[in-house]
Amino acid sequence: DAGVTQSPTHLIKTRGQQVTLRCSPKSGHDTVSWYQQALGQGPQFIFQYYEEEERQRGNFPDRFSGHQFPNYSSELNVNALLLGDSALYLCASSLYLGTAYNEQFFGPGTRLTVL
Amino acid sequence: AQSVAQPEDQVNVAEGNPLTVKCTYSVSGNPYLFWYVQYPNRGLQFLLKYITGDNLVKGSYGFEAEFNKSQTSFHLKKPSALVSDSALYFCAVRDKGTGGFKTIFGAGTRLFVKA
Repeated sequence: DAGVTQSPTHLIKTRGQQVTLRCSPKSGHDTVSWYQQALGQGPQFIFQYYEEEERQRGNFPDRFSGHQFPNYSSELNVNALLLGDSALYLCASSLYLGTAYNEQFFGPGTRLTVL
Repeated sequence: AQSVAQPEDQVNVAEGNPLTVKCTYSVSGNPYLFWYVQYPNRGLQFLLKYITGDNLVKGSYGFEAEFNKSQTSFHLKKPSALVSDSALYFCAVRDKGTGGFKTIFGAGTRLFVKA
């Protein structure tokens, strides 16, 4: 059973560019959340997708957007990249079931470097 | 707003000794609390969670956590540390909003277990 997978593993972009990160949830999971983890810090919640809709959003600007597909996979898009967007981006999946206490399974992350 | 504090950036312990990693939380309702571990260049792994019931929660790899409502704490413990327990540990609280939930992580505590 494959766990959560993310692509690409590493990415280097320049300021002002746009980037798309991809995530495939663990088999059987229907909810995907995205996090930004800056060096030496804890993960910061970006947003959560369920049934192809954004359900919750953290304190991130509109430059950060996402999408969930019918097969539950998800994309994170970041426009107009800033140096401060350099971080590890983590995707986490879970089974929703209308509850808030199912544990999340995390992917290995995508390391984004903005030059 | 929900928040999590991990007061120690680093905890050092000798192999075979008991370990404690501290976490305090602030929530407006009933807390859903989690511990995750992160090994170098890898995503987060779920260790254990508290939803309701017994204040002592047992999890993976011999870890347990004690929920203390009066002190708003959820400390992670292990009776006998292993060198392989050396990693970054995150405490988290789940905030259930309309239509979804967000997980708020602490800044993390680095655990060093010396042989």
